[in-house]
Order: sequence, then C-alpha cells, then structure tokens
Amino acid sequence: EAGVVQSPRYKIIEKKQPVAFWCNPISGHNTLYWYRQNLGQGPELLIRYENEEAVDDSQLPKDRFSAERLKGVDSTLKIQPAELGDSAVYLCASSRGDSLFTEAFFGQGTRLTVV
Amino acid sequence: AQSVAQPEDQVNVAEGNPLTVKCTYSVSGNPYLFWYVQYPNRGLQFLLKYITGDNLVKGSYGFEAEFNKSQTSFHLKKPSALVSDSALYFCAVRDETGANNLFFGTGTRLTVIP
Repeated sequence: EAGVVQSPRYKIIEKKQPVAFWCNPISGHNTLYWYRQNLGQGPELLIRYENEEAVDDSQLPKDRFSAERLKGVDSTLKIQPAELGDSAVYLCASSRGDSLFTEAFFGQGTRLTVV
Repeated sequence: AQSVAQPEDQVNVAEGNPLTVKCTYSVSGNPYLFWYVQYPNRGLQFLLKYITGDNLVKGSYGFEAEFNKSQTSFHLKKPSALVSDSALYFCAVRDETGANNLFFGTGTRLTVIP
C-alpha cells in the first residue's frame, strides 16, 4: 500500500511570505496529524483531524497557521506570514481509526527554511 | 499530562554487541507505548508498540522492547547491533487522558561502530 505522501520535500522562502504544505494520507486512514520537528528535537503535534474535523488544534499557532482537510482525505497546512522561527520539518502522519492502540504512519516531511 | 524522557542524546555501540536505547514515561492512565526510527532525510518509521499483555514486545528489524511498569520504562533493545541500525530513535506515548495524541521524546541518536 502507498504510504503517506507529502509535498514539497523542501521549501525555502523569505520571511513574511506565505507557504503551504500538502499531505495525502494512507487510503482508509481517517485520522491525520500534522507535526513540527525542530532540529534535534522530537516531533510536536500541531493539529489532529478525525475525518474532516479538527479535534485537537490546541498547539497550532492560530495567528499565522491554518489547516484544512476537505472531504476528510488530503490536508493542507498553511503559514502566513512565515517567520524565521518557523524553519523546521513539517511531518504529516495518518492512522486507521481513533484508537489508542493504533500506530501512526509518517510521510517524509517537508523541510521549511525561512530566510 | 503525558511525557516521555529519553535520557541519552547519543548511544554508541560496536557492531555485533547488544544495544539498549532508554525511555521512561509519565502518564495519568494506562500507557500505550511506541518506538519509531528515523533515518536521514526520511520520515519516522514504526518499529513496535506495547498495548497490554506480555512485557517483552518484538518488532521490526530484530528490535524488541521491555515494558516495566514499576520503573515506568520502555527500553528498546537488540541482541546484536548492525551498522545499518545507526539512526535516530524516538519513544512515544499515548494514554486515555491525552485526547488520543501521540507524544514524542527528544530522540536518541544511535551510532553502531564497525
């Protein structure tokens, strides 16, 4: 089965510019996560979707970050405007069902550099 | 609140020797524990998980992990390390009070020396 697909793999933008990341989860996975991973750190959750509903966005900086998951499949994460501190790897993950037992499968990530 | 600690930023081991990567956790309810591995420029790959039952869990690539409730630990182990095991390893935890979110440790970089 195809894995989680993210694009682009790399993105370099100037500060104050907008940027968007795209994620296609594994088919049949209704739970989708966006994580941010800073260099040398573990992934930190930004938002979790169950189907098209954002069930936990408490860690999403809502002044500049937004996300959507139309039709409960693909998702986009947007930053507008980007700041230097947003440079990180943005990881998308998906899992089957809303279960404590289920492992999440990760995409390769998008490495964002803000200059 | 949930948290995971990986006390060692770096672990070095000689090829063929056993390896251990340490993880301790803190949760309010029952823990559900996971190990992931990250190779350079790759996403995280699932290795194994503990849900309930046998405290020794076996996973991918010959890895196993031992759940110890009294010590709140879930250490990753392998009897004989390979150079190809060199990577970044992350421990993660969920519990019933965490809204089903997966919380990660800061990672341990494993280097297997030929």
